[in-house]
Amino acid sequence: EVQLVESGGGVVRPGGSLRLSCAASGFTFDDFGMTWVRQAPGKGLEWVSGTNWNGGSTGYTGSVKGRFTISRNNAKNSLYLQMDSLRVEDTALYYCVRGQGLSPFDYWGQGALVIVSS
Amino acid sequence: EIVMTQSPATLSVSPGERATLSCRASQSIRTDLAWFQQKPGQAPRLLIYSASTRAAGIPARFSGSGSGTDFTLTISSLQSEDFAVYYCQQYNIWPPEGTFGQGTKVEIK
Repeated sequence: EVQLVESGGGVVRPGGSLRLSCAASGFTFDDFGMTWVRQAPGKGLEWVSGTNWNGGSTGYTGSVKGRFTISRNNAKNSLYLQMDSLRVEDTALYYCVRGQGLSPFDYWGQGALVIVSS
Repeated sequence: EIVMTQSPATLSVSPGERATLSCRASQSIRTDLAWFQQKPGQAPRLLIYSASTRAAGIPARFSGSGSGTDFTLTISSLQSEDFAVYYCQQYNIWPPEGTFGQGTKVEIK
């Protein structure tokens, strides 16, 4: 059974940092690109960042470029999102998703809540 | 950037009736389109990919059609568990900025 479990969410002040992690199991992790999608409270889905199978190709939505960094450790079956210079508008539930963005997002974690507030 | 536009924003339907949801891409995406269902407090669930292929375990009352720029998700006979928000997603372009439509909420009439 495919499982994606996020961790690392929390409350942080504007300008602060957080690192999200996603532990993957139930599939061959390095066969798949991976993605972070977020959902602000009461809003729709927004693609944040994606990576190919080995981290050699990554992409970011415009509003997080230069502030967020996606990475992965295939030996640990883990995906990460380093979030720096956080803004109030980054407040959202962050989902770890299997798929890179040139394939459908077929499995989703339950999400990690990030709240940016002073 | 491809812009995905869903309509209507809200669809009021009685149980047992058919629901038809639309998704339009600002440029051709061939059939690189997926549909998701999201219920309150839950992660999205993949329903349809490649515009018309049902994901594993998805009931036959869900069907997708379309290619190029215009796509449709049809729920043939709405069940109580189908009332939710539905999103379309394109996966034709990298990076997939704006990959999701804004969603259609299917509510009980």
